[in-house]
Amino acid sequence: GAVVSQHPSWVICKSGTSVKIECRSLDFQATTMFWYRQFPKQSLMLMATSNEGSKATYEQGVEKDKFLINHASLTLSTLTVTSAHPEDSSFYICSAEPGTSGTDTQYFGPGTRLTVL
Amino acid sequence: SQQGEEDPQALSIQEGENATMNCSYKTSINNLQWYRQNSGRGLVHLILIRSNEREKHSGRLRVTLDTSKKSSSLLITASRAADTASYFCATARSNYKLTFGKGTLLTVNP
Repeated sequence: GAVVSQHPSWVICKSGTSVKIECRSLDFQATTMFWYRQFPKQSLMLMATSNEGSKATYEQGVEKDKFLINHASLTLSTLTVTSAHPEDSSFYICSAEPGTSGTDTQYFGPGTRLTVL
Repeated sequence: SQQGEEDPQALSIQEGENATMNCSYKTSINNLQWYRQNSGRGLVHLILIRSNEREKHSGRLRVTLDTSKKSSSLLITASRAADTASYFCATARSNYKLTFGKGTLLTVNP
């Protein structure tokens, strides 16, 4: 159980286009989802916390108008990278928090590799 | 600021040997978690240790937590080639946000 999927697993796009990444919790409901980005050989940096039915909370330094997050249901959150540029190329990973009382574990998706040409 | 800092940054051992990785952090925590990441893949949760726990075991994994020193260690016993991966510690405060360390790249040579 506790599987999180991401789609697509990789995407290549031209500079200036927008890319949408989906994060789904397959067998549990996630009131909270998190979005991270990871540059090669570096750690994961939290970008934003996504709560179902409310606005996402962005970490300091993350442009909310560039990285649009929508948490439309208890099993789906989307991250849209708008007007992507080569510096946005990165590995984007989501995680989902089941929200069960006493459960602190986040379950991570397999990641989406974005390459902007 | 970066919360967790793993040490060493890279570790290369022979199959069958034990691998020890350390993690230090700076602020008070609710729990500390260890994750594994194979190259280019997502994260796999290994073990969670709460702030009121000192040691935890899971199979070949042993995690210790010293809140007075703000440090944790992950021991993998009898390592296998399949254990080759990056290992990250992540600290969680009361809001469940995870702050990841820089990771240790473990290479287990057959």
